[in-house]
Amino acid sequence: RKEVEQDPGPFNVPEGATVAFNCTYSNSASQSFFWYRQDCRKEPKLLMSVYSSGNEDGRFTAQLNRASQYISLLIRDSKLSDSATYLCAVTRYSSASKIIFGSGTRLSIRP
Amino acid sequence: DAGVTQSPTHLIKTRGQQVTLRCSPKSGHDTVSWYQQALGQGPQFIFQYYEEEERQRGNFPDRFSGHQFPNYSSELNVNALLLGDSALYLCASSPNPGTGGQDTQYFGPGTRLTVL
Repeated sequence: RKEVEQDPGPFNVPEGATVAFNCTYSNSASQSFFWYRQDCRKEPKLLMSVYSSGNEDGRFTAQLNRASQYISLLIRDSKLSDSATYLCAVTRYSSASKIIFGSGTRLSIRP
Repeated sequence: DAGVTQSPTHLIKTRGQQVTLRCSPKSGHDTVSWYQQALGQGPQFIFQYYEEEERQRGNFPDRFSGHQFPNYSSELNVNALLLGDSALYLCASSPNPGTGGQDTQYFGPGTRLTVL
């Protein structure tokens, strides 16, 4: 079993829709949680860090559920430019910042 | 402020050859990590360098080695290339976690390696 698991998708939704992704992690020692966005053939770019209290950045909301060991990403009012692969990632402080990524969820927004 | 830079952008090699990839970290960062991303997969941690030493290593064979220089730049070397080594190789830099900063890593644009 992979340490971080995501639904690979693809999610194909109309512009303006709300879409949500979940990600599960298996190691309860995980301490930091992130969502990265990766465009085709480009490097991952940090979208949001995810904290225990959850956090929001414009149309994006991330939540962490430590008890169930999953994190989520909600995108409201989706735009064509949101089309990308979204990577869930975790780190454990004791492992000196090694990032463990999921395989990514592909999102395609259609006009 | 320059971000993370990597060279070359693309590389084509044949099986059995050796390759060296280069990375310069973001200004102010002293820790460099390398990741391998195969098509359709998330990046996989190879190793991390700090103070010119390998601090942690992922599940990669000894064919993968690295180096960090006093100016914090880093190299990734892969010997005896296999077809399965074809991937996007990403370098990421961060401040030393011991400084109390977040474990936020900033990625370079990557080097796309094709092994024929």
